[in-house]
Amino acid sequence: ILNVEQSPQSLHVQEGDSTNFTCSFPSSNFYALHWYRWETAKSPEALFVMTLNGDEKKKGRISATLNTKEGYSYLYIKGSQPEDSATYLCAFAAMEYGNKLVFGAGTILRVKS
Amino acid sequence: DGGITQSPKYLFRKEGQNVTLSCEQNLNHDAMYWYRQDPGQGLRLIYYSQIVNDFQKGDIAEGYSVSREKKESFPLTVTSAQKNPTAFYLCASSHRGIGQPQHFGDGTRLSIL
Repeated sequence: ILNVEQSPQSLHVQEGDSTNFTCSFPSSNFYALHWYRWETAKSPEALFVMTLNGDEKKKGRISATLNTKEGYSYLYIKGSQPEDSATYLCAFAAMEYGNKLVFGAGTILRVKS
Repeated sequence: DGGITQSPKYLFRKEGQNVTLSCEQNLNHDAMYWYRQDPGQGLRLIYYSQIVNDFQKGDIAEGYSVSREKKESFPLTVTSAQKNPTAFYLCASSHRGIGQPQHFGDGTRLSIL
């Protein structure tokens, strides 16, 4: 069974702080790496899907990088706001399984105003 | 608006009873997925379907069954063989092909009476 690790498990920051999380995944057989944001009482929402080593994606204050050779991805949030409070999930897709995703347990972010 | 609809939002099961969770999408997606979430764990894949009339077991398929008779619908039955069914269940869908994000419903919370 493929293993996807996310760290830290949870994070509490002050409004305006910048923060980052890590997703570690198997470095062989890479197909795609997904990031999702899951706010309380809502459904998970796709942030980024990355497929190429060295990919960098950005959406507003949130950005992500990908290193498939060493098996990690970073998610960065610049100037955190209370509305960024959510669980951030990463998910790995292996070449042999196509669109089948293996999810990490998530990083819970709480931003205090 | 296009989206995924899961029903019911809350479901209670008696011992020995089969229950069916509904998932409908109008996004014209070929692929559909069922996940289970338990506290402190990532989403775990139960079943997925890449095309109508075809589906594959995920990592935790025992005690569950699915059907995919229509493109829009992917119901999940939790059978009496599933000894620990209390969990939060999420349905998702996506286009097929590399780099396609998954779109999620709002989930069904299943509890045992």
